[in-house]
Amino acid sequence: DVVMTQSPLSLPVTLGQPASISCKSSQSLVYRDGNTYLNWFQQRPGQSPRRLIYKVSKRDSGVPDRFSGSGSGTDFTLKISRVEAEDVGFYYCMQGTHWPPTFGQGTRVEI
Amino acid sequence: EVQLVESEGGLVQPGGSLRLSCVASGLTFSDYWMSWVRQAPGKGLEWVANIDQDASEKYYVDSVKGRFTISRDNAENSLFLQMNSLRVDDTAVYYCASGMVELDYWGQGTLVTVSS
Repeated sequence: DVVMTQSPLSLPVTLGQPASISCKSSQSLVYRDGNTYLNWFQQRPGQSPRRLIYKVSKRDSGVPDRFSGSGSGTDFTLKISRVEAEDVGFYYCMQGTHWPPTFGQGTRVEI
Repeated sequence: EVQLVESEGGLVQPGGSLRLSCVASGLTFSDYWMSWVRQAPGKGLEWVANIDQDASEKYYVDSVKGRFTISRDNAENSLFLQMNSLRVDDTAVYYCASGMVELDYWGQGTLVTVSS
């Protein structure tokens, strides 16, 4: 199975400051169709996961533009340009290129 | 607005069975692959199974193969997960989600506890 490794696992942040989470895969996530199936999810305390980013950098509808995704191949990054209080929670990367789909361990973002 | 609503989970003894359901609204259910994802208490997310639009393709994570069965009823906009031979390590919140790997919409989750 493809191993997704996130870092850091815990990220203390300051309101209004930027934050960044890294996600590295054990194999390239480029699929034979040319797409890279890398998603980012946010899970606020007590809530279900919510997808923020798909195919590396495409932001879901309703997701604030302070969230951005980037990367290629095996190295990916989720950035928050200016952290707000509502951004507290866990963030997970997930690959859907190789079977079975696998998630990173999660990164806890806390103020 | 898309809504995915899972049935209530529950407490089951090891070796027991439980059937989860998920009712979808706000999307054309029959157009979507559907998935189950679980989260053990205090742990991360684990994909469990998915099913294509007409139930001709079904895939499972190795740890549940032969014990869990995913199915769907497009007429009732419903997704199911039949869980047999449950083990203590199957204890988790189970989420239904839309898509094969897209997972763009999620239910609220239902807790399944396997314990004697």
